[in-house]
Amino acid sequence: DTAVSQTPKYLVTQMGNDKSIKCEQNLGHDTMYWYKQDSKKFLKIMFSYNNKELIINETVPNRFSPKSPDKAHLNLHINSLELGDSAVYFCASSQEGGSNEKLFFGSGTQLSVL
Amino acid sequence: EDKVVQSPLSLVVHEGDTVTLNCSYEVTNFRSLLWYKQEKKAPTFLFMLTSSGIEKKSGRLSSILDKKELFSILNITATQTGDSAVYLCAPRYAYSGAGSYQLTFGKGTKLSVIP
Repeated sequence: DTAVSQTPKYLVTQMGNDKSIKCEQNLGHDTMYWYKQDSKKFLKIMFSYNNKELIINETVPNRFSPKSPDKAHLNLHINSLELGDSAVYFCASSQEGGSNEKLFFGSGTQLSVL
Repeated sequence: EDKVVQSPLSLVVHEGDTVTLNCSYEVTNFRSLLWYKQEKKAPTFLFMLTSSGIEKKSGRLSSILDKKELFSILNITATQTGDSAVYLCAPRYAYSGAGSYQLTFGKGTKLSVIP
């Protein structure tokens, strides 16, 4: 079973469209994240979310919004897509506290905006 | 401002060489530092370091943390072509009073091992 799964793996769309990327984790973790990795391979945090708090990186445009229907899911909605949104988006999860707080990553969604 | 600085940004070595990758960080409410290896897809976990001066080892890889000087190193001995990847370090720190933690990644060191 995949620990952190995200869909789709590839997403090609036109500028101006609205799209969503789904993420699910079956690890029972209490915190989930979205990271964006640009063409220079810089992995930058967008959001972190647990049942207490949503933390938004202030540089993320408000066209991006995370939605968490429950603890195991954190979906990413993007409105009015722009060319600069093209990147690989990684979902991740972790469990706060304890000696094993590493992030588990999904396999990534490569978004191409034409 | 860059909270995490990795050096060198890229490195080309021959098989069998030993390499040292550096990571310096500047965060408040530090909790731990993690190293990841990224090949084609998602980063994969290597080490988590919480205490200064205690070396962690896994095969040919080892890592150590200096919390006073705010840096960590990752050593790879007897490198192999399979070690070619981007190596990322990330300090984990408390983001807010609610007890949330963040992991901020450096830009990585791209290691290329040639036969």
